[in-house]
Amino acid sequence: DGGITQSPKYLFRKEGQNVTLSCEQNLNHDAMYWYRQDPGQGLRLIYYSQIVNDFQKGDIAEGYSVSREKKESFPLTVTSAQKNPTAFYLCASSIWGASNQPQHFGDGTRLSIL
Amino acid sequence: KQEVTQIPAALSVPEGENLVLNCSFTDSAIYNLQWFRQDPGKGLTSLLLIQSSQREQTSGRLNASLDKSSGRSTLYIAASQPGDSATYLCAVQKAGTALIFGKGTTLSVSS
Repeated sequence: DGGITQSPKYLFRKEGQNVTLSCEQNLNHDAMYWYRQDPGQGLRLIYYSQIVNDFQKGDIAEGYSVSREKKESFPLTVTSAQKNPTAFYLCASSIWGASNQPQHFGDGTRLSIL
Repeated sequence: KQEVTQIPAALSVPEGENLVLNCSFTDSAIYNLQWFRQDPGKGLTSLLLIQSSQREQTSGRLNASLDKSSGRSTLYIAASQPGDSATYLCAVQKAGTALIFGKGTTLSVSS
């Protein structure tokens, strides 16, 4: 079955620590996205990538970094510079430039501070 | 800057009722509008996508309409069921950009 796999499901970060959230897709989509969701809020865009080795900042990129070395993978690193990282993180993918194709989402990673 | 607003923020209805969820957006130059469902602690599931040239889309008991000129979309749910209880999110996309989301409407259907 095609889909998006996010791991881990739950993640805990210590003060001063960087953590990396994994996102893998087997849908052959060229575009991938990272969103952050806080309680009672919609999704806010962190980073997105239209193609391998290229990515753009979203609305709340500060304190986060990404890489796109393979089409299937788009890991997100939450750095120690992100002072309020506790949130639900969602990864998505889509066919870039196709107005009739929806975004597909993973099941999310919940990050908490120890 | 594009802003997406969803009203109401929460809605409780008895089983069997027909209901309408509203979504408005400030910039009418959109590529498409998408409605998603989110169950607690889960990712988003795509329900309906309306391209900018379309007026509505239907899937089973769901019907979504789009009035681009007025910046509005509605999601109509017919004969609601307890299994419809979830948060419904509206999002719009401009060409060459990512989706911009509203904060969602949390629906509770009681049996």
